[in-house]
Amino acid sequence: KQEVTQIPAALSVPEGENLVLNCSFTDSAIYNLQWFRQDPGKGLTSLLLIQSSQREQTSGRLNASLDKSSGRSTLYIAASQPGDSATYLCAVLNSGYSTLTFGKGTMLLVSP
Amino acid sequence: GAGVSQSPRYKVAKRGQDVALRCDPISGHVSLFWYQQALGQGPEFLTYFQNEAQLDKSGLPSDRFFAERPEGSVSTLKIQRTQQEDSAVYLCASSLDHRDYSSYNSPLHFGNGTRLTVT
Repeated sequence: KQEVTQIPAALSVPEGENLVLNCSFTDSAIYNLQWFRQDPGKGLTSLLLIQSSQREQTSGRLNASLDKSSGRSTLYIAASQPGDSATYLCAVLNSGYSTLTFGKGTMLLVSP
Repeated sequence: GAGVSQSPRYKVAKRGQDVALRCDPISGHVSLFWYQQALGQGPEFLTYFQNEAQLDKSGLPSDRFFAERPEGSVSTLKIQRTQQEDSAVYLCASSLDHRDYSSYNSPLHFGNGTRLTVT
């Protein structure tokens, strides 16, 4: 059974810092990996999707990397802003399945 | 509509009551998913529809949980004889098409969820 782990569980940084969120998964037979953002009381917003054949994806200040063989992904946030404060969730789609397996998330707080 | 709509936003039920949670997916989206998110946890898969067909219900925790999508658009998740461990946020997501590998990279759009509290 696929297991997804996110480290750290919570992170607090001052505005302007660059930061890295980590995600690891136990079964490397994935089809893709996605990073989501969840604001309190809200649903999930897709940030980046990396296909298994890709190494990274970028969107604005966000960069996600994927090392499928080692079962790891990182989400890099450059020049963090208070508006980035949210919970960030990593999810993988296993080959042969149609459903996502999520980690527990990293709760990020960026203080002004 | 512009996004996935879920109702009600909040539901408080007494233990033993039945509840029904509604999801209106984005118009034209073929695939629909239900997830359960307990406090401090990531979402966990419950069930998946392709149009009106329920293709995967392996995540439903017990036979008290039932989902339907009779006309291939609106979906209802029903929980019978609710118990305290059912307290969670129930998230609905839809995507344009998720039927095979060629479409697995189509993004999922999530609703804001229904927060169910069983007392």
